[in-house]
Amino acid sequence: GQNIDQPTEMTATEGAIVQINCTYQTSGFNGLFWYQQHAGEAPTFLSYNVLDGLEEKGRFSSFLSRSKGYSYLLLKELQMKDSASYLCAVSPTGFQKLVFGTGTRLLVSP
Amino acid sequence: DVKVTQSSRYLVKRTGEKVFLECVQDMDHENMFWYRQDPGLGLRLIYFSYDVKMKEKGDIPEGYSVSREKKERFSLILESASTNQTSMYLCASTPKNEQYFGPGTRLTVT
Repeated sequence: GQNIDQPTEMTATEGAIVQINCTYQTSGFNGLFWYQQHAGEAPTFLSYNVLDGLEEKGRFSSFLSRSKGYSYLLLKELQMKDSASYLCAVSPTGFQKLVFGTGTRLLVSP
Repeated sequence: DVKVTQSSRYLVKRTGEKVFLECVQDMDHENMFWYRQDPGLGLRLIYFSYDVKMKEKGDIPEGYSVSREKKERFSLILESASTNQTSMYLCASTPKNEQYFGPGTRLTVT
C-alpha cells in the first residue's frame, strides 16, 4: 500500500523559519511534490523533487532523501499569508498519478 | 496563464440523482484527474485519464464513472448520488509533472 505521513498542524511566528516534514512508503517512486492550499481554495504547486538534495525557490526550499523515504519543506521569513495547508504528495508510478498526505495546517501568528 | 475550470463551485443534489461534474482545461494537457477532498483524509484520486477516451481507476472509483470525449474536457459522473459522496471535488490537469487544479466543486447530497 501507499502511506504518506506529515504532521497535522504546526504554528510559527511571523519572520521565523519552519520545517514541515513528510515521510513516505510507496510501491514506487517517480517524484515528490509539495502543494500549498489556502482555506477554500485549490492547491497550488510549490516544488518537485525527484533526485536527492535541496531545491531552493525563493523563501521556500524542499529537500528529498529517497533512501530514507523523507522530505521536508522549509519556509523562511514567514509571512501571515503563509498560513495555509501544505500537502506532500508522491508519484509512485507514471502518468503523474499522485498519492497525497493528509496535509499540514500551518498557522503563522504576529 | 494556466486555467482549469469547473462547472460549479457549489452544488446541492438529492440522494439517487445522477450528477455531472465538468472540468475544462485550456492548456492542451493530456493527463487529467478527479479527486475528492475530505477533512482528515486528504486528497484521494477517483479516476484519471491520460488521453481522449482513455480512463483509469484511481484509489476510490466506486460509485463514480468518467467521460473524456475531448482532450480539454473531463467529466465525473455520480450514477446515483449518496450522502457519503458529499465532499469537495477537485479536478486537475498536467503536462508532465506539476498538476494544475481547478477551483473545486463543493457537492452536498441530501
